[in-house]
Amino acid sequence: GQNIDQPTEMTATEGAIVQINCTYQTSGFNGLFWYQQHAGEAPTFLSYNVLDGLEEKGRFSSFLSRSKGYSYLLLKELQMKDSASYLCAVRDEGNAGKSTFGDGTTLTVKP
Amino acid sequence: DSGVTQTPKHLITATGQRVTLRCSPRSGDLSVYWYQQSLDQGLQFLIQYYNGEERAKGNILERFSAQQFPDLHSELNLSSLELGDSALYFCASSPRRSNTEAFFGQGTRLTVV
Repeated sequence: GQNIDQPTEMTATEGAIVQINCTYQTSGFNGLFWYQQHAGEAPTFLSYNVLDGLEEKGRFSSFLSRSKGYSYLLLKELQMKDSASYLCAVRDEGNAGKSTFGDGTTLTVKP
Repeated sequence: DSGVTQTPKHLITATGQRVTLRCSPRSGDLSVYWYQQSLDQGLQFLIQYYNGEERAKGNILERFSAQQFPDLHSELNLSSLELGDSALYFCASSPRRSNTEAFFGQGTRLTVV
């Protein structure tokens, strides 16, 4: 099975940098996703990591360490619109269509 | 707009009833995924169809079933509804079997009263 842990809530200031951590214990691993979800809306894809290291995409970066079962999402130059829930999801080793999601981290950006 | 269309957007029904949720994937996408998101359980993968065939199954209850039609749209049928089935139901689609490039629809909010 899959067990995914993320902090429940985080608060940060506009313009700052925030790091959201995700740890996982899984019976298999075939990649890790990060999604952003505003309240009542659909999740939107942010990043995908399957190899160790850092993937950068604009203000957002995602890091993966498979040996440690650890990932983080780094958000730079925070904006008010970044207030949302951030979901970490691990894809099944045996099935590329199936992912297990963490409960999400609710990020509040304050002025 | 992700290109994935779900109908209806909102649905209120009574316990014991049966409902059908509909999903039209993005043009050209062969895979459709269904997810349930409730307040106490987060986002849960239910089932995946690829080109008309069931491809992967998650924690989908026996009271729930799904299918994908030849035109690639999909329906999720929920029967003998219980209060605990109240949730947001999302559909996502991707061009291949893998969910790496999956995009989500806006969801159907189901309320069971």
